[in-house]
Amino acid sequence: QKEVEQDPGPLSVPEGAIVSLNCTYSNSAFQYFMWYRQYSRKGPELLMYTYSSGNKEDGRFTAQVDKSSKYISLFIRDSQPSDSATYLCAMSVPRPTNAGGTSYGKLTFGQGTILTVHP
Amino acid sequence: GAGVSQSPSNKVTEKGKDVELRCDPISGHTALYWYRQSLGQGLEFLIYFQGNSAPDKSGLPSDRFSAERTGGSVSTLTIQRTQQEDSAVYLCASSSGPQRAQYFGPGTRLTVL
Repeated sequence: QKEVEQDPGPLSVPEGAIVSLNCTYSNSAFQYFMWYRQYSRKGPELLMYTYSSGNKEDGRFTAQVDKSSKYISLFIRDSQPSDSATYLCAMSVPRPTNAGGTSYGKLTFGQGTILTVHP
Repeated sequence: GAGVSQSPSNKVTEKGKDVELRCDPISGHTALYWYRQSLGQGLEFLIYFQGNSAPDKSGLPSDRFSAERTGGSVSTLTIQRTQQEDSAVYLCASSSGPQRAQYFGPGTRLTVL
């Protein structure tokens, strides 16, 4: 079983729809959660990140983390054709560094969900 | 400002050859990461550099893979004696610190024939 599970889709919605993307995880040590968007043949682009449970909103995007259920979501309101891409969840465990600090550097990704928003 | 850049964008090589992939992080970013993205495995962590600390190499799949970071900036990922299963997109990311968000480059698409 993978540490992070994400439904690969594909997901197809009409323009203007609310999109819900989800990931579940098994490692309760994950403390840092991110969503990336990746267009075809491009690198992942950071959308949102959070360290805490609850909701975080940025424009049309809302990230939700429920650590008790080990479940994270990304909601996209008023979806646009330009939102068509692969959406990747990612998370990491805090680790001590040699310098005495804390690192969240090693990200574990979900498989990605392919989203198409059609006009 | 300029983002993470990687070169070459595409690399085709023959099985058994060595390849070098380059990453230029965002200026001032102290942390640099290499990941690999393939159809079957998704996006996988390879190695992580933070400042002058010893790198975290825990994701390197075999001793044919190595990476270095010179002067705390540019990094090179080297794959020796390439195999067909090494074919993937190799992505580099950088961040301004170990607790900061990672920003990715466009990747190098490696094809081993």
